[in-house]
Amino acid sequence: QSALTQPRSVSGSPGQSVTISCTGTSSNVGRYNYVSWYQQHPGKAPRLIIYDVINRPSGVPDRFSGSKSGSTASLTISGLQAEDEADYYCCTYAGNYARVFGTGTKVAVL
Amino acid sequence: EVQLVQSGAEVKKPGESLKISCKGSGYSFASYWIGWVRQRPGEGLEWVGIIYPHDSDARYSPSFQGQVTVSADTSVTTAYLQWDSLKASDTAMYYCARRAYGAYDFAYWGQGTLVTVSA
Repeated sequence: QSALTQPRSVSGSPGQSVTISCTGTSSNVGRYNYVSWYQQHPGKAPRLIIYDVINRPSGVPDRFSGSKSGSTASLTISGLQAEDEADYYCCTYAGNYARVFGTGTKVAVL
Repeated sequence: EVQLVQSGAEVKKPGESLKISCKGSGYSFASYWIGWVRQRPGEGLEWVGIIYPHDSDARYSPSFQGQVTVSADTSVTTAYLQWDSLKASDTAMYYCARRAYGAYDFAYWGQGTLVTVSA
């Protein structure tokens, strides 16, 4: 399966909102409500910030939110903070235990 | 506390074999699928495969099928990723991960194992 498509980069000033899209197909993102999002700072392991499209694990700030429409999922960061500068990856279940990651998006805080 | 602790960095030559490990603790190891994720230098995350330690049911990404083998030993609560013949293109950080919240998330991650393949 091909990687999910994400914008290469997005940026915003502190306090602003940014949205990252994640486009798949009707066989993966469009079929299953199992999209998760990961934040990765340089040199660190990824961190789960959204699971099952819209749910936040405990400890994740509520400025992170997820949604999905058709074959495109989205992550919105509201009230952008300096520590949100990182790479973000979406991931979907694709059937038969398979997962597919997105291409990754670098978020810059101006 | 759930922990996944991976083996240390490796430097190998092309054609050599390698087996890296991921030791789980703080939970019922046999009951949770453990996945493997590759990240080449400066690149994104790629799903390699996944294994259910209870019965060693393993599934692979088509891109990795036949290139690697995933295994697990419940007696030592450890999952493994192995190569029979490494290539330079296998140079990457490899992470193991486990779900926690939904059915298909990766909530717990190992610290990563850097594999460098160079002549």
